[in-house]
Amino acid sequence: AQSVTQLGSHVSVSEGALVLLRCNYSSSVPPYLFWYVQYPNQGLQLLLKYTSAATLVKGINGFEAEFKKSETSFHLTKPSAHMSDAAEYFCAVTEGLSSASKIIFGSGTRLSIRP
Amino acid sequence: ETGVTQSPTHLIKTRGQQVTLRCSSQSGHNTVSWYQQALGQGPQFIFQYYREEENGRGNFPPRFSGLQFPNYSSELNVNALELDDSALYLCASSSTLWGGGVYNEQFFGPGTRLTVL
Repeated sequence: AQSVTQLGSHVSVSEGALVLLRCNYSSSVPPYLFWYVQYPNQGLQLLLKYTSAATLVKGINGFEAEFKKSETSFHLTKPSAHMSDAAEYFCAVTEGLSSASKIIFGSGTRLSIRP
Repeated sequence: ETGVTQSPTHLIKTRGQQVTLRCSSQSGHNTVSWYQQALGQGPQFIFQYYREEENGRGNFPPRFSGLQFPNYSSELNVNALELDDSALYLCASSSTLWGGGVYNEQFFGPGTRLTVL
């Protein structure tokens, strides 16, 4: 079964600094991978997804993630943090390759931005 | 285009009671998935409905059940509520194309916050 590990339940960076949120998945077969963002009292919004095309995936709000099969990683980065980036971020993976495959989520990383 | 909506937004129940949560899927979507998100945790898959049939289930007991209607809206029912059922319940809709080889995004609703006392 698939699993996702997010390193660091809380990450704090200064405004304008690099954001790096780490994610590792368990399978040797590249599944579909996602990063979602959740603002307080809201649902989940898809930031970006990897579906076996380019290994560097660009998403919304200036975020991007790189799929590294050899490291089974899919870390999320943003060159310059903005105060509005403060939120909970979830890495996720599908358990299969079908559109109906369930999504397995990591436990989340809360991103705080210091002025 | 209307997004995924859920009702109610908040709900308070007592142990042993039953609850029904509702989800209206995005226009054109035929698949609804339900997730439970406990405080401080990632969402956990409960089950999925495709064309009114259950199509996959996570590690949840039978007292968690669901329905999908012809218009693809869905209900999540939980019987004999326990304190640990307190969570944010999220539904997500998507358009499933069997054999299409294309992954279509799941769109999430804002959730229903259930508190069990």
